[in-house]
Amino acid sequence: RKEVEQDPGPFNVPEGATVAFNCTYSNSASQSFFWYRQDCRKEPKLLMSVYSSGNEDGRFTAQLNRASQYISLLIRDSKLSDSATYLCVVISGGYNKLIFGAGTRLAVHP
Amino acid sequence: GAGVSQSPRYKVAKRGQDVALRCDPISGHVSLFWYQQALGQGPEFLTYFQNEAQLDKSGLPSDRFFAERPEGSVSTLKIQRTQQEDSAVYLCASSSRLRGTTNEKLFFGSGTQLSVL
Repeated sequence: RKEVEQDPGPFNVPEGATVAFNCTYSNSASQSFFWYRQDCRKEPKLLMSVYSSGNEDGRFTAQLNRASQYISLLIRDSKLSDSATYLCVVISGGYNKLIFGAGTRLAVHP
Repeated sequence: GAGVSQSPRYKVAKRGQDVALRCDPISGHVSLFWYQQALGQGPEFLTYFQNEAQLDKSGLPSDRFFAERPEGSVSTLKIQRTQQEDSAVYLCASSSRLRGTTNEKLFFGSGTQLSVL
C-alpha cells in the first residue's frame, strides 16, 4: 500500500463547478501536508499548505483531519486554467522529504 | 538564473548505456533531493543530500543508480546499464540553508526526461 493515496481521476468538470479531491496517508507520524499542482510536462509547484484548522486561498480550501489521516482540497468556481494534476504531499521524517501521491488529474471544460 | 537547473532536458539512451544527469541547485541551498516520476505517477523519492553528505538513498531502485554531490553544490545522478523501466522524468529539488524546520519550501527543477530504447 502506498504511503499517500489519492482519487485517481480524471475529473472532467465544466467551468464554474466546484470539485473536491481527497487523499489519505498511512504514516500517523507525518508532520506537514501540502497540495502541489503539476502542469503537463512541468515540475510540481506548491499550491498550498494544509492545516488542521483548515485554510483558504481564494477559490481553494484545504483541510486536514489528523484523526482520520485524511486531506482534502476544494476548488470553487473552476476555471479553465485550473486544469492540471493535483498532488497530495506529506512530510515524514526528520528532514524535508516529500512523499507524493500519484496525483489526480483535473480537466475543466468550457 | 535563480532557479534549480537540470541538464540535459531530454536524454535518449539505448538499453545498456550509462547516463549522467546533472542538477545545479539554488546557490547556498543545503538540501538536495532527487525524485523519479514515471508517466501518470507522482514523483517517487530517490535520494537526499545535506551538503555533500548523502543521508538517505533508500529510494534508489537498484545498485545501477548512483548519486553524488562532492562539493555540496552540483549533484549528478548516474544510471548504469539503463533499462527500459528506467524511462521517466528525473526531478531535482533543493531547499534553503534554513535547517531544522519542516516547512522549508522545496524548489524543483524542470527535470530530465529519460527515454531508454
